[in-house]
Amino acid sequence: GQQLNQSPQSMFIQEGEDVSMNCTSSSIFNTWLWYKQDPGEGPVLLIALYKAGELTSNGRLTAQFGITRKDSFLNISASIPSDVGIYFCAGYNNDMRFGAGTRLTVKP
Amino acid sequence: DTAVSQTPKYLVTQMGNDKSIKCEQNLGHDTMYWYKQDSKKFLKIMFSYNNKELIINETVPNRFSPKSPDKAHLNLHINSLELGDSAVYFCASSQDSIQPQHFGDGTRLSIL
Repeated sequence: GQQLNQSPQSMFIQEGEDVSMNCTSSSIFNTWLWYKQDPGEGPVLLIALYKAGELTSNGRLTAQFGITRKDSFLNISASIPSDVGIYFCAGYNNDMRFGAGTRLTVKP
Repeated sequence: DTAVSQTPKYLVTQMGNDKSIKCEQNLGHDTMYWYKQDSKKFLKIMFSYNNKELIINETVPNRFSPKSPDKAHLNLHINSLELGDSAVYFCASSQDSIQPQHFGDGTRLSIL
């Protein structure tokens, strides 16, 4: 099946730093999504991307749908402690596939 | 107010038992899903239903049987529970299969 490779697996950063994570695949996707999961809760949608090349922001978060349709990245600027959590990319092409997640830790 | 709600939140039971997890969404969505999240947090789709009809059935043991009495509900029944079934099970819904999914808070299943 379609595999999504998400990296890095984990990040330990200082409050105020910028963060970047990405997902790549050998398959083309029609939609890329980014979710955040807090402990004890379900994933919550952060950003949805529907067109190749699309760049979308949501507050301090920015995500892009790669031109080749095989990758996407998520940037978080000026991180704060509540950014802690697991970030998942997801790609849709006939069905939704999730990356393995990036676990973000922010040190105050 | 809760958009996608699942019960119970925690389920601890013995190996070999049969259990059910319920899911309801009040978003008016047509499509509902069950996911399994393992201890490494990997999310894997199990089933997808659209308007009460099964759309996706990934390679899941037939001990797992989803049931959708109406498009707002998708329950998951598990027979003869095994140790490897321990995981967090998430229900989700979306307007249709290409729209972003809204997740419930998960059911933490622990098999003793």
